[in-house]
Amino acid sequence: GENVEQHPSTLSVQEGDSAVIKCTYSDSASNYFPWYKQELGKGPQLIIDIRSNVGEKKDQRIAVTLNKTAKHFSLHITETQPEDSAVYFCAAPLGGFSGGYNKLIFGAGTRLAVHP
Amino acid sequence: EPEVTQTPSHQVTQMGQEVILRCVPISNHLYFYWYRQILGQKVEFLVSFYNNEISEKSEIFDDQFSVERPDGSNFTLKIRSTKLEDSAMYFCASRADRGPHYEQYFGPGTRLTVT
Repeated sequence: GENVEQHPSTLSVQEGDSAVIKCTYSDSASNYFPWYKQELGKGPQLIIDIRSNVGEKKDQRIAVTLNKTAKHFSLHITETQPEDSAVYFCAAPLGGFSGGYNKLIFGAGTRLAVHP
Repeated sequence: EPEVTQTPSHQVTQMGQEVILRCVPISNHLYFYWYRQILGQKVEFLVSFYNNEISEKSEIFDDQFSVERPDGSNFTLKIRSTKLEDSAMYFCASRADRGPHYEQYFGPGTRLTVT
């Protein structure tokens, strides 16, 4: 079945360092790739997304890159701060947007800890 | 900023009881979803809903589950006879349009505990 693989499962960095989380997907029709941040006891919050017509998107300290050939996409957080500590999920819609109602398939999550 | 809201935040119920989880999606959104997250695991799709009918459901969403949009604002998930394994966080999400607006926005979740 369709799957989204996410690595690493945990990531520990010092404040100010960069963090990179990687995902691979199996459905070549997927054309939209969101990243969600989930803080303890809260729902997933959309932080950035990328569509298949671009290779990179940046928003302040976070960026996402996409390699459609390799079916990889990555989240990059620069100058990490303690408040970046959370679980991060990548996701991809099954079947793209030409059909279906775009249920999201989530990765297993990465628990990021930023130490002061 | 508009947001998805969910009630209750925590529901405790006994096995075999019926529960209804409630969601108010963002007001101009057209697509509605329920997902669940068992503690420590990934978020899993349950069902999508559009134009007053289910558009897709997962194998988790068996005949014990149902969804409804009883009025113009609420979207509910009903579990008829809860099982221990239904204990999870349940998230409602909504999306604006099938067009270029791909973003799904999630509510804060309802923690369901079945004892």
